[in-house]
Amino acid sequence: DIVMTQSPDSLAVSLGERATINCKSSQSVLYGRDNKNYLAWYQQKPGQPPKLLIYWASTRESGVPDRFSGSGSGTDFTLTISSLQAEDVAVYYCQQYYNTFPAGTFGQGTKVEIK
Amino acid sequence: QVQLVQSGAEVKMPGASVKISCKASGYPFTTYSLHWVRQAPGQRLEWMGWVNTDSNNVKYLQKFQDRLTITRDTSASTAYMELSSLRSEDTAVYYCARDRERYFDLWGRGALVTVSS
Repeated sequence: DIVMTQSPDSLAVSLGERATINCKSSQSVLYGRDNKNYLAWYQQKPGQPPKLLIYWASTRESGVPDRFSGSGSGTDFTLTISSLQAEDVAVYYCQQYYNTFPAGTFGQGTKVEIK
Repeated sequence: QVQLVQSGAEVKMPGASVKISCKASGYPFTTYSLHWVRQAPGQRLEWMGWVNTDSNNVKYLQKFQDRLTITRDTSASTAYMELSSLRSEDTAVYYCARDRERYFDLWGRGALVTVSS
């Protein structure tokens, strides 16, 4: 199974500042045939289900503010919040969906708070 | 409105079974597969299994193979997840999630299952 590891486990950022979350997979999630990275990012606020933010490593889901961006390829990925807002306080998870079975493994999550 | 509506919280004794429903609305039910993901307190999201809502094919994570059953009722646009032989470690929030292109674009609100004597 592909193991996803996020860093840091938590971070505190001032309002308006940049937040950067890293995600590393134990093997490449770049599929050669379509040149796509099978990597998604989710946001989970307390008491709510996860919400899809980014798929194919860098494609923003409809309705997601453009301060959220994803980058990276192969085994190393980054989620960036360019200007942190109060409503961005949440836990963020990366997920690989390269494997069809098991169908997606998640990182341990990164908690983002306001400094 | 496109949504997945799950059944409510459950409290179960160790050794019992729990069955959670996930009703889809606002889109053709058989167009998307549905997955079940759980989240134990303080733990990461854990994928459990999925059902192809069209073909009714299912796949389960090996650790749940003996006690997990996922079914679907196309007439009711509803998927079900039944977990048997419950133990305290199964205390978690159980989510259903829609598969768009193997990532999960729509989630139910979750059903808390508490296993306690």
